[in-house]
Amino acid sequence: SQTIHQWPATLVQPVGSPLSLECTVEGTSNPNLYWYRQAAGRGLQLLFYSVGIGQISSEVPQNLSASRPQDRQFILSSKKLLLSDSGFYLCAWSVIQYEQYFGPGTRLTVT
Amino acid sequence: GQQVMQIPQYQHVQEGEDFTTYCNSSTTLSNIQWYKQRPGGHPVFLIQLVKSGEVKKQKRLTFQFGEAKKNSSLHITATQTTDVGTYFCESNSGYALNFGKGTSLLVTP
Repeated sequence: SQTIHQWPATLVQPVGSPLSLECTVEGTSNPNLYWYRQAAGRGLQLLFYSVGIGQISSEVPQNLSASRPQDRQFILSSKKLLLSDSGFYLCAWSVIQYEQYFGPGTRLTVT
Repeated sequence: GQQVMQIPQYQHVQEGEDFTTYCNSSTTLSNIQWYKQRPGGHPVFLIQLVKSGEVKKQKRLTFQFGEAKKNSSLHITATQTTDVGTYFCESNSGYALNFGKGTSLLVTP
C-alpha cells in the first residue's frame, strides 16, 4: 500500500533562517506531488506541484522553492523565512489526478 | 482556474441534526472532489463527482453535483460527533487545483 511521510511534524524557526521540509512517498511510481500551505486552519493554498523528477510548477510567487531530486521525494525550501511563512504545510501525492492523498503535515511557526 | 466558493464558513449543530455545505462556481466545473479534515489532521479524500446531476452516497453522507455542473453539495444526515471537522470541495482544470475555503462543522452532543 502507498504511504506518504513528512517531517518534521512541528518546527519553530526564527525569521531569516533557512527552511527544508521533506516529503517522501512509498508504494507508487511516478506520482504527481504537491505542496500546500494552510494558514490559520483554513483553506488550502497550492504552492508547487511536480509531475516528474526535476519538473516543478509554482502556483504562487514567494520566497519558497521546491525541488524533486528523486521520483518519490519532494522538498520545500526557503533561504530566509518570513513571519508570513508560518502555517501548516501539507505534501500530497496523486496518480489519478483528482484523488490526492495528503501527508500528516508540518506545523511551522516563524518567530 | 475554476474557482469555487463554499458556504457556510462555519456550522454548529446538535448531534442528530442534519448538515449541508455548498460549493458554488460561476463557471462550469469539470469535476468536483470533496475532502474532510479532522481538527489537527490532514485532508482525506472522500469522493469525486463528474457527471451532471450525479448523486453519490456514503452511509450518512450524500454528495450531489448540480445539473449545470456549477454547484455541489454535501449533506450529512443525523450528524454524530465523529463528523466534526472541516469539509472542503475542490475542482481542477488540468493541474491547477482550486480548493474552497471549507466549512467547519462543530457537533455538540
